[in-house]
Amino acid sequence: GENVEQHPSTLSVQEGDSAVIKCTYSDSASNYFPWYKQELGKRPQLIIDIRSNVGEKKDQRIAVTLNKTAKHFSLHITETQPEDSAVYFCAASSPLQKLVFGTGTRLLVSP
Amino acid sequence: GAVVSQHPSWVICKSGTSVKIECRSLDFQATTMFWYRQFPKQSLMLMATSNEGSKATYEQGVEKDKFLINHASLTLSTLTVTSAHPEDSSFYICSARPTGPNTEAFFGQGTRLTVV
Repeated sequence: GENVEQHPSTLSVQEGDSAVIKCTYSDSASNYFPWYKQELGKRPQLIIDIRSNVGEKKDQRIAVTLNKTAKHFSLHITETQPEDSAVYFCAASSPLQKLVFGTGTRLLVSP
Repeated sequence: GAVVSQHPSWVICKSGTSVKIECRSLDFQATTMFWYRQFPKQSLMLMATSNEGSKATYEQGVEKDKFLINHASLTLSTLTVTSAHPEDSSFYICSARPTGPNTEAFFGQGTRLTVV
């Protein structure tokens, strides 16, 4: 089955800096890669997603890149703000639709 | 966006009792729903795929007799934790995706189960 690895597990940055989180996946059939932000005790919230026919997608301060050959994808957050502090999860989905999550990255943005 | 509602949001039960958690898709039909478990400071671990009108598909290591899943309609899936023990205490969360390729997954609010 699919296996998703995520790094780093924790990331501390200063406000205004950029943050990058990386994930790799194992199943070449996976074709949908969402990123979620989860605050303590809350449900995951989709922040951006990318499909396998696209190499890069951007939404304001957030961007995601996908390298299908290498089976890795990354989340880039620019101009970080304290409210970006949360746990971020990557995920991969096959055509069977089940999402397999990465291990999570705790992002701390210091003022 | 679409809405998935999960109930209850929290429950405390005694060891040995059973607890039922409901997951509803409020504005779309979901032939498939997913159940996850999340321990503190850990990731969401897929437990099983709930299939409307047929048996659920369980992930490796998940006891199907302990975590009973029923998906009797296109908008409702239930997870019953049977004979609960303290080690079953966790955050359980369901997810559903509208029909179509690579659609966004919507999550319920989650249920915090505490077994005492």
